[in-house]
Amino acid sequence: SQQGEEDPQALSIQEGENATMNCSYKTSINNLQWYRQNSGRGLVHLILIRSNEREKHSGRLRVTLDTSKKSSSLLITASRAADTASYFCATDRPMDTGRRALTFGSGTRLQVQP
Amino acid sequence: GAVVSQHPSWVICKSGTSVKIECRSLDFQATTMFWYRQFPKQSLMLMATSNEGSKATYEQGVEKDKFLINHASLTLSTLTVTSAHPEDSSFYICSARDLGTRHQPQHFGDGTRLSIL
Repeated sequence: SQQGEEDPQALSIQEGENATMNCSYKTSINNLQWYRQNSGRGLVHLILIRSNEREKHSGRLRVTLDTSKKSSSLLITASRAADTASYFCATDRPMDTGRRALTFGSGTRLQVQP
Repeated sequence: GAVVSQHPSWVICKSGTSVKIECRSLDFQATTMFWYRQFPKQSLMLMATSNEGSKATYEQGVEKDKFLINHASLTLSTLTVTSAHPEDSSFYICSARDLGTRHQPQHFGDGTRLSIL
């Protein structure tokens, strides 16, 4: 299965700084999604950006999408210790059944130091 | 908001035991649920897609007889790891998508940590 790549794999910053994570993918997409995972827990959806959108905001989150480069970035501004988690991008892909499934990137582990 | 409940959250058992994991959508119906496996510090890998009323669709390399999936209703899918061995130890996560929200986010359970001794 196709899998996106994210960089950096790990990021450690101080509280108040901004955190930027990047994601690249391989196929054409309808949308790209970002999820957060606290250690040992399930995933929480953060934001969805459609293929015809270039930028989207949600609170302290800013997502960009460049379909020509097949890449996306997630920016978390004014980070907090509670933002410490792993962040994954995910793209929808069609399956043989006609349904769609998510393919996840490799993830970025973010550590925000208080 | 939509909630997916996954049970149990933690299982420790002896090698050779079969383990059943349940995934329930609590306030919406899902014809399709997804089962993922995640190793430490790695990404989620799709194992299979659970289809209500029909056979599950397995990803390449996933043993159908090893990982039995049943999707008997629009709110419940189960994954049974048969004759589990230490190499099956992992974090298993299910997700579901609300009917009629084809391009909307999936909702994830909190995962099941399976440890086989």
